[in-house]
Amino acid sequence: SQTIHQWPATLVQPVGSPLSLECTVEGTSNPNLYWYRQAAGRGLQLLFYSVGIGQISSEVPQNLSASRPQDRQFILSSKKLLLSDSGFYLCAVGATNEKLFFGSGTQLSVL
Amino acid sequence: DAKTTQPPSMDCAEGRAANLPCNHSTISGNEYVYWYRQIHSQGPQYIIHGLKNNETNEMASLIITEDRKSSTLILPHATLRDTAVYYCIVRVGGANSKLTFGKGITLSVRP
Repeated sequence: SQTIHQWPATLVQPVGSPLSLECTVEGTSNPNLYWYRQAAGRGLQLLFYSVGIGQISSEVPQNLSASRPQDRQFILSSKKLLLSDSGFYLCAVGATNEKLFFGSGTQLSVL
Repeated sequence: DAKTTQPPSMDCAEGRAANLPCNHSTISGNEYVYWYRQIHSQGPQYIIHGLKNNETNEMASLIITEDRKSSTLILPHATLRDTAVYYCIVRVGGANSKLTFGKGITLSVRP
């Protein structure tokens, strides 16, 4: 079964600073990868998904970008963080049996 | 993907069965019903999914009506650790199909 590594667990960043969140997956090859965000008191919002290296689809216009430089690596980035970027960020991997498995998440606070 | 409707919250007593309803009246013939749950500050966890037959696993049972317009997730013996937000999602099958979360239902299990 796959293992999802997501770090850091918590992050506090000032407005205008850059962001890089990394997600790596073990135990599977050529997975579908996803970035979700959950703002405080709100539901899960799909941000990006990727079906392969270099293939990124964005679900909503925003201040963030994603990249997939390797098969099992998915990176979420921003050049300049906004207050509205605060939230709980989750990486997920799609399994061949159509289930999604989620990482432990990063709680980002932009101050 | 078809829209789902869930009550915002419900509670049940520890040790009793928890029956969580979900309406999906516009579901298409090729759309599956998935249930996930999210315990506070964690990533969502897959529970169960089905197409038209009732399903059971070690976590729960899924009952889908014959017309497939609604379903019920049953936790047979709820424990305090089952307190979470439960999401009912319908989506087309296939590994490349995205998972879109709604607001879910908050289940509170009381001692």
